[in-house]
Amino acid sequence: DTGVSQDPRHKITKRGQNVTFRCDPISEHNRLYWYRQTLGQGPEFLTYFQNEAQLEKSRLLSDRFSAERPKGSFSTLEIQRTEQGDSAMYLCASSLGSGPETQYFGPGTRLLVL
Amino acid sequence: EDQVTQSPEALRLQEGESSSLNCSYTVSGLRGLFWYRQDPGKGPEFLFTLYSAGEEKEKERLKATLTKKESFLHITAPKPEDSATYLCAERAQGGSEKLVFGKGTKLTVNP
Repeated sequence: DTGVSQDPRHKITKRGQNVTFRCDPISEHNRLYWYRQTLGQGPEFLTYFQNEAQLEKSRLLSDRFSAERPKGSFSTLEIQRTEQGDSAMYLCASSLGSGPETQYFGPGTRLLVL
Repeated sequence: EDQVTQSPEALRLQEGESSSLNCSYTVSGLRGLFWYRQDPGKGPEFLFTLYSAGEEKEKERLKATLTKKESFLHITAPKPEDSATYLCAERAQGGSEKLVFGKGTKLTVNP
């Protein structure tokens, strides 16, 4: 069991650029979640997928954010026209979709927008 | 709206000095109360899930308990390696699968 992986681990970009992050969940998990965490705060929910279907989106997810999970396996989170306020740790989690429903988190992608 | 409040925000202990962290939640029909540990620059690491008042779970020096309005994370005889931020979360009501997190308690254990 390799756990949840995220790529890249760190990203520095200039304001106005687009960025894309990737998340690979635990292999048998059919639910995948994206959260955002800023310094001194707990993670805040952005969106989640069950298989390839995006079932819930937060009001935090502006039109500049889009997430996909095309084949129900890995997921991508794209931020268009980045702003300095987008600087944060972007966390991905996955869960089995049945039973205890524990969400297991990846190491995160740290984004810095200059 | 779901809200999770953790206290204290920060806690400094000497090695071996036991203490407790508090997590208050607001959801009326609790669908799970979760504790995670987070080290700096890393993702949260799952510790415990509690579902009903009176439930307790233990792992090494940690014990989590749950009442109808709050949860406690008891740390017995902590070691410096227990230093981390401890996050509490509830599964949101209304059928949502999202977790609602508190801001965390930053624990520092001095040798």
